[in-house]
Amino acid sequence: DGGITQSPKYLFRKEGQNVTLSCEQNLNHDAMYWYRQDPGQGLRLIYYSQIVNDFQKGDIAEGYSVSREKKESFPLTVTSAQKNPTAFYLCASKGTGLVETQYFGPGTRLLVL
Amino acid sequence: QKEVEQNSGPLSVPEGAIASLNCTYSDRGSQSFFWYRQYSGKSPELIMFIYSNGDKEDGRFTAQLNKASQYVSLLIRDSQPSDSATYLCAVRFQGAQKLVFGQGTRLTINP
Repeated sequence: DGGITQSPKYLFRKEGQNVTLSCEQNLNHDAMYWYRQDPGQGLRLIYYSQIVNDFQKGDIAEGYSVSREKKESFPLTVTSAQKNPTAFYLCASKGTGLVETQYFGPGTRLLVL
Repeated sequence: QKEVEQNSGPLSVPEGAIASLNCTYSDRGSQSFFWYRQYSGKSPELIMFIYSNGDKEDGRFTAQLNKASQYVSLLIRDSQPSDSATYLCAVRFQGAQKLVFGQGTRLTINP
């Protein structure tokens, strides 16, 4: 069963705490992405990675960090520096071909206690 | 700043009618264009992509691209209540490895 998995589905963060969101794909895609979505808003790009051991900042990278040690995995850490982390976090990966389409995981909803 | 603009709606359409969703973008050199559907509380799912001028049809959905006018639209024929969702337009700008998303249009199909 090919696809993108994200865990956990819901995550609660306490003040000053770092939390890590998991994203795994078995689609053999090189590129992976993290987006944030706030209520009633579109998607904003946090970080993306086109290849293992390389990643670039997106539009709203402050307060977040990522790693890409394996092709299948692209975890996102929400650090204590991110003062307003409550949002829906979406991971995506991109295939290759004539038109490179992005496919999304089910998302993680992060809430602050 | 490269932008993608959508009317946030809500757009209300009677069941069986044609729903028309529009999207404009700022970069004339944009390469490819995507429509995603997002149900409340769920992640976006790809409906269609288009990269050549003109129309592309897939079942009840038709994507229309006009590069000269810098707009892309999505038509949904024979609208069903299950089409009620937010529709996100995304554009890959020239030379970019990432997509830029519009804020989405919320569509409601009334039985």
